[in-house]
Amino acid sequence: ETGVTQTPRHLVMGMTNKKSLKCEQHLGHNAMYWYKQSAKKPLELMFVYNFKEQTENNSVPSRFSPECPNSSHLFLHLHTLQPEDSALYLCASSQEGLAGHNEQFFGPGTRLTVL
Amino acid sequence: QKEVEQNSGPLSVPEGAIASLNCTYSDRGSQSFFWYRQYSGKSPELIMSIYSNGDKEDGRFTAQLNKASQYVSLLIRDSQPSDSATYLCAVIKPGTYKYIFGTGTRLKVLA
Repeated sequence: ETGVTQTPRHLVMGMTNKKSLKCEQHLGHNAMYWYKQSAKKPLELMFVYNFKEQTENNSVPSRFSPECPNSSHLFLHLHTLQPEDSALYLCASSQEGLAGHNEQFFGPGTRLTVL
Repeated sequence: QKEVEQNSGPLSVPEGAIASLNCTYSDRGSQSFFWYRQYSGKSPELIMSIYSNGDKEDGRFTAQLNKASQYVSLLIRDSQPSDSATYLCAVIKPGTYKYIFGTGTRLKVLA
């Protein structure tokens, strides 16, 4: 595997379900990010982890719960979601998260549909 | 005022022409700027990064940065139909870990 991988690629869940999104980066980076992309809206940053520590939480509802066990893996745990949470969820990584000349690379995304 | 602004388009150019995509940003302290290409249904793909005033060229792509005027642009020379996509401008918010993205400009290259 190379680059940034995400699983599953597609997910359909009911509002009462609990599911998790997984991201893995094979680039040796130290920072990982979760984004939400809805139709006709800009990419919305959700969470940032830098060396496994959460450094940004962009006022994300508690029904989204991130977990970063190490610098290569990032999870997004989902529970009691709403239909408006349906979107493309993108994971990204960069060498480090501290503001600077850090190029960010994205995974393929998980297309989430909440019924 | 939005932190990063782009014209949503679509911008239509004929094959072989130069496509010019523009982006303005509000925070004068911004130092790092990126252009991404996103095909429909796919994730963003990094095209170029630029950190200093002036031009940076990579193949058919040239990024231009003017910090005094707070804009960054992307020129695509010899545009091809395969360049048809949405182009996203991103800026790192100074002093934070946040990348702020514009809404993107949709480019159509007509064969």
